[in-house]
Amino acid sequence: AQSVTQPDIHITVSEGASLELRCNYSYGATPYLFWYVQSPGQGLQLLLKYFSGDTLVQGIKGFEAEFKRSQSSFNLRKPSVHWSDAAEYFCAVDSSGGSYIPTFGRGTSLIVHP
Amino acid sequence: GAGVSQTPSNKVTEKGKYVELRCDPISGHTALYWYRQSLGQGPEFLIYFQGTGAADDSGLPNDRFFAVRPEGSVSTLKIQRTERGDSAVYLCASSLLAGASDTQYFGPGTRLTVL
Repeated sequence: AQSVTQPDIHITVSEGASLELRCNYSYGATPYLFWYVQSPGQGLQLLLKYFSGDTLVQGIKGFEAEFKRSQSSFNLRKPSVHWSDAAEYFCAVDSSGGSYIPTFGRGTSLIVHP
Repeated sequence: GAGVSQTPSNKVTEKGKYVELRCDPISGHTALYWYRQSLGQGPEFLIYFQGTGAADDSGLPNDRFFAVRPEGSVSTLKIQRTERGDSAVYLCASSLLAGASDTQYFGPGTRLTVL
């Protein structure tokens, strides 16, 4: 069965610092991979997704993620964090053959210090 | 245009009661998904509809949970004989079509508390 691991429950960074959120997945073939953000009182919003091709994926709000098959990872990065980026971030994997039944990680809470 | 809306935003009920949670998807979206998010966890898939039919209900935890989408738009998640373990935020999402290439748009959720 597919699974997603987000090893960091909380991450604290200073505003303006770079950010990397880790995500590891377990699946035999190349899955579809996603990152979502959930801000307080708001719905989940898709940041970016990877299906195939270029392993470096650009998303909204200045985020990017890199798929590394050898490490079964899909880490999310941002070069300079803004206070408004404080939120919960979820990595998800879909290996259901495109019917999009994703399996989500437990999330990483990002705290941004001024 | 309007996004996905869910009502009520909060629901408190007593153990053993019946509840209905409503989801209004984005107009024209044919696919609709229900998830459950427990405290400190990621969303967990429950069921998804393609049009009026349930295309996959493999995530429903037991037969106390049921969902309908009679006209291919609004959907209702129904929970019978609620238990304290059903307390969670129930999320709804819709997409234009069903598939990984179609972005799912999520509603704000309904927080269900079973006392």
